[in-house]
Amino acid sequence: EAGVAQSPRYKIIEKRQSVAFWCNPISGHATLYWYQQILGQGPKLLIQFQNNGVVDDSQLPKDRFSAERLKGVDSTLKIQPAKLEDSAVYLCASSSYPGWTGGLNTGELFFGEGSRLTVL
Amino acid sequence: QKEVEQNSGPLSVPEGAIASLNCTYSDRVSQSFFWYRQYSGKSPELIMSIYSNGDKEDGRFTAQLNKASQYVSLLIRDSQPSDSATYLCAVTSGTYKYIFGTGTRLKVLA
Repeated sequence: EAGVAQSPRYKIIEKRQSVAFWCNPISGHATLYWYQQILGQGPKLLIQFQNNGVVDDSQLPKDRFSAERLKGVDSTLKIQPAKLEDSAVYLCASSSYPGWTGGLNTGELFFGEGSRLTVL
Repeated sequence: QKEVEQNSGPLSVPEGAIASLNCTYSDRVSQSFFWYRQYSGKSPELIMSIYSNGDKEDGRFTAQLNKASQYVSLLIRDSQPSDSATYLCAVTSGTYKYIFGTGTRLKVLA
């Protein structure tokens, strides 16, 4: 079974430029997440999709970040314009839909390799 | 108050010892709890999940959950240098939303 695919793996840009990251989840996984992980910190949820609908984007800086998941499969995260503090690893993860057992979320979160962004 | 709190460490233990990693969470309705391991420069990978109070063992790993105290822990027995990594605690509550702690860096000394 193919894992979560992300690209590019590395990106270096100057502040105020734009960048886009792509993610293809595991086949059949309805739920897709974008996390931001700054060095030395835990992953911070930016946006969560279920199929092609947004479940949670409360921590997405909407003035500069946008994300879409057309057709409920792959997803793109865009930053425009980038700031120095956006330097981080952007992790995409997916989870299978029938991950509920007896009312508990038992779905494992599978991560891609991440996209490391450096803003100069 | 942070939703999921962990001591950032580093926690240093000698090879063969028991490493004890702790996590507290703020949302009382949290239902599912996970421990992920993250090697430097790599993505997190799931090592344990626990859903009910008590202990759950898997090989050298034991997860412990106390919902009344809003506390979850991970014990690693017979620690090996290969266990040196950052351990992330994650919590979900009624949705598919996974909230992660900042992680505890574990160093196992040979």
